[in-house]
Amino acid sequence: GAVVSQHPSRVICKSGTSVKIECRSLDFQATTMFWYRQFPKQSLMLMATSNEGSKATYEQGVEKDKFLINHASLTLSTLTVTSAHPEDSSFYICSAAFGLDTEAFFGQGTRLTVV
Amino acid sequence: SQELEQSPQSLIVQEGKNLTINCTSSKTLYGLYWYKQKYGEGLIFLMMLQKGGEEKSHEKITAKLDEKKQQSSLHITASQPSHAGIYLCGSSNTGKLIFGQGTTLQVKP
Repeated sequence: GAVVSQHPSRVICKSGTSVKIECRSLDFQATTMFWYRQFPKQSLMLMATSNEGSKATYEQGVEKDKFLINHASLTLSTLTVTSAHPEDSSFYICSAAFGLDTEAFFGQGTRLTVV
Repeated sequence: SQELEQSPQSLIVQEGKNLTINCTSSKTLYGLYWYKQKYGEGLIFLMMLQKGGEEKSHEKITAKLDEKKQQSSLHITASQPSHAGIYLCGSSNTGKLIFGQGTTLQVKP
């Protein structure tokens, strides 16, 4: 299957700083990318859906100004956690799809720890 | 909004036993996905079902989508320790890919 690379796999940052997570589709053009958050022993919670060249669509309860999503090209989407707090510590996963209702390929995830 | 309910939430089986995981949707499913995850890692795609009554198999794993397209089941035959992990059903509708709460499977040698 197609490959999605997520970077970094682990990051530790201080409270108040910003962290950027990258999601790249390596061998296909992803018109749609999804960002998820996963808490321990829980499922994936969809944070936002981004389509190349347009603004991301955020799920209810997800702060747009805190979780900035950019999908500037067909192979790259970024999630920036701004002014991070310890409660933002979590596992973040991205996925990329060719289009609507097609198979989505997942990155390996990023473990964020805010200290 | 659409919700996916998985059952059971967790499962412990003896190696060699068969098991079934269910996924029920509150709305008609247009695309139903099954993924496997080791916690703290990415998701591994297992199967995608789209047509009512569709059934797919890969090695010892079989997934079915019912005729009404609101329920899917994942069946593992002769389970092995390598089958252990979190199984997630997902659905795509109106451009979103959402997941059920997951089923944690443990296989005892």
